[in-house]
Amino acid sequence: SAVISQKPSRDICQRGTSLTIQCQVDSQVTMMFWYRQQPGQSLTLIATANQGSEATYESGFVIDKFPISRPNLTFSTLTVSNMSPEDSSIYLCSVETGKKTGELFFGEGSRLTVL
Amino acid sequence: AQSVSQHNHHVILSEAASLELGCNYSYGGTVNLFWYVQYPGQHLQLLLKYFSGDPLVKGIKGFEAEFIKSKFSFNLRKPSVQWSDTAEYFCAVNALDSSYKLIFGSGTRLLVRP
Repeated sequence: SAVISQKPSRDICQRGTSLTIQCQVDSQVTMMFWYRQQPGQSLTLIATANQGSEATYESGFVIDKFPISRPNLTFSTLTVSNMSPEDSSIYLCSVETGKKTGELFFGEGSRLTVL
Repeated sequence: AQSVSQHNHHVILSEAASLELGCNYSYGGTVNLFWYVQYPGQHLQLLLKYFSGDPLVKGIKGFEAEFIKSKFSFNLRKPSVQWSDTAEYFCAVNALDSSYKLIFGSGTRLLVRP
């Protein structure tokens, strides 16, 4: 298993500002993913964080709004840019187990409220 | 595109009642299937998974799920629920040609009354 730490665990932000969420894993992992869980809804994949290259974004998500860094195999950041109240959500970092089955471990998430 | 449907959004049961949560997916190829659970205030954790073999899989805490390929279904069951099973349950699918991405269903909130 992998232990995933996210910072901040929660934050309240003003409209128009940006916030960077950090994800630290206790072991080297190949696949890291960022999900969003909006209030009362399921998890939606934002992007796959690729080590050493640009992230791969899902439909409806763009790099300008959600820039992602992946400098090494244990760390990634997700920035939510120019925030609006619609960005209020839980943002989750996850990692694939390494067995190439799609099974993921999740961090506890970062709960973001935009006023 | 893949999709996952969970038809029960909210379920309320009394302790000792039996549980079945429906999950259907749309994808014609080979899939890996998962149920995740999120207890109040906790992070998502794996409940059970199916990759191949016996279509009836057993997970933690007495949960089981049955993969019926012809119905594209992977329903979750428990014969007798407990108050501690109160949580949100998510079905998820990984298509084996999708770079290990998991697609989640909308989730089912289960409330078990003591």
